[in-house]
Amino acid sequence: AQKITQTQPGMFVQEKEAVTLDCTYDTSDQSYGLFWYKQPSSGEMIFLIYQGSYDEQNATEGRYSLNFQKARKSANLVISASQLGDSAMYFCAMCTFNAGGTSYGKLTFGQGTILTVHP
Amino acid sequence: DSGVTQTPKHLITATGQRVTLRCSPRSGDLSVYWYQQSLDQGLQFLIQYYNGEERAKGNILERFSAQQFPDLHSELNLSSLELGDSALYFCASSFTSGGTDTQYFGPGTRLTVL
Repeated sequence: AQKITQTQPGMFVQEKEAVTLDCTYDTSDQSYGLFWYKQPSSGEMIFLIYQGSYDEQNATEGRYSLNFQKARKSANLVISASQLGDSAMYFCAMCTFNAGGTSYGKLTFGQGTILTVHP
Repeated sequence: DSGVTQTPKHLITATGQRVTLRCSPRSGDLSVYWYQQSLDQGLQFLIQYYNGEERAKGNILERFSAQQFPDLHSELNLSSLELGDSALYFCASSFTSGGTDTQYFGPGTRLTVL
């Protein structure tokens, strides 16, 4: 079974500062993918960034980067130069392949972290 | 805009009733996933269809069922509704059958059961 843990229920950051949102995962599968999604107050789920378990470099997408530490099973999201529009709930999620190579499409989500950006 | 559409946006109904939620995936995507988001359970995977076939099942109640049609749109049917079924229901789509393929989410259908 897969498990995602986000230990920060809420985080605060000053506009233009960087912030790190924590995510740890647990799986016995060797192949997996890690995702971050943003959910603003309007409710939609917006894909931000993806990291594959075999990717050697940390993923980056604009102001978002994923600090992937495989040995520690952590996949923290770093948002640089925070903006007021970054205030939202952020979810870490994982999808895995089993040993037989069959892909499991389902995403397992953490409980989320509410980020508030102060002006 | 993810390209995934869901209707209706809001649905208010009474206990014991039956409702149908509809989802159209992004153009070219073959997989459709359904998720339920509630305050107590968080985001939970319900079911996945790939090119018309059921591919994976999660914590989906027997009162719930889904299907994917030849044009790849999908419907989630919820019957004998209970207060606890009130939640935000998301549909997501991806090109392949899953794994590490990114899933793009629709705007969700907010179901309120009174």
